[in-house]
Amino acid sequence: DADVTQTPRNRITKTGKRIMLECSQTKGHDRMYWYRQDPGLGLRLIYYSFDVKDINKGEISDGYSVSRQAQAKFSLSLESAIPNQTALYFCATSDFSSSGRPSSNEQFFGPGTRLTVL
Amino acid sequence: GQSLEQPSEVTAVEGAIVQINCTYQTSGFYGLSWYQQHDGGAPTFLSYNALDGLEETGRFSSFLSRSDSYGYLLLQELQMKDSASYFCAVRDDSWGKLQFGAGTQVVVTP
Repeated sequence: DADVTQTPRNRITKTGKRIMLECSQTKGHDRMYWYRQDPGLGLRLIYYSFDVKDINKGEISDGYSVSRQAQAKFSLSLESAIPNQTALYFCATSDFSSSGRPSSNEQFFGPGTRLTVL
Repeated sequence: GQSLEQPSEVTAVEGAIVQINCTYQTSGFYGLSWYQQHDGGAPTFLSYNALDGLEETGRFSSFLSRSDSYGYLLLQELQMKDSASYFCAVRDDSWGKLQFGAGTQVVVTP
């Protein structure tokens, strides 16, 4: 089945370590996103990419970097993890309709990565 | 600044109707979406309104008033499986980027 997958699903690391979270999709979508979710704060956009050559910062990009290795792969890195980056991280994809009707830009989310930084 | 406001929690009994309001203040507006997230799960898309009015999809309906910067999600004939968090999200630019509210936890009781 076409899907959005994330690895790892859970990760515990120490302050100062470099961490990479990976996202792959088989939906054929060109748009990919990374969000973090904290209790009571909803989903906040970290980075987004509309194609392999296009990377954009979201509202909370400090301390993070991304790589779009291929249309299907979008990785999030924490160069030097700190405890306040402990959160649930979601990757999402979307396919922007050009049909002429208003597009919802429906986003399809992966299962999430629970990251704990000690 | 940009903001989306929605209640933090709503409790209702099975079979009841629940309305979750969302007011927004964003730099751009192209449409309002709603997503459902069960505890520990991934958010899933429920509905989208780009124009004023009511959109109905089964037991769920979504409404938008652009002049009031306001929308709501209506959950009818509540079932236990509807216990989840519900997020409103504004599409705030022509590229389709979304800005999410903090979410409303709906608790359905027997």
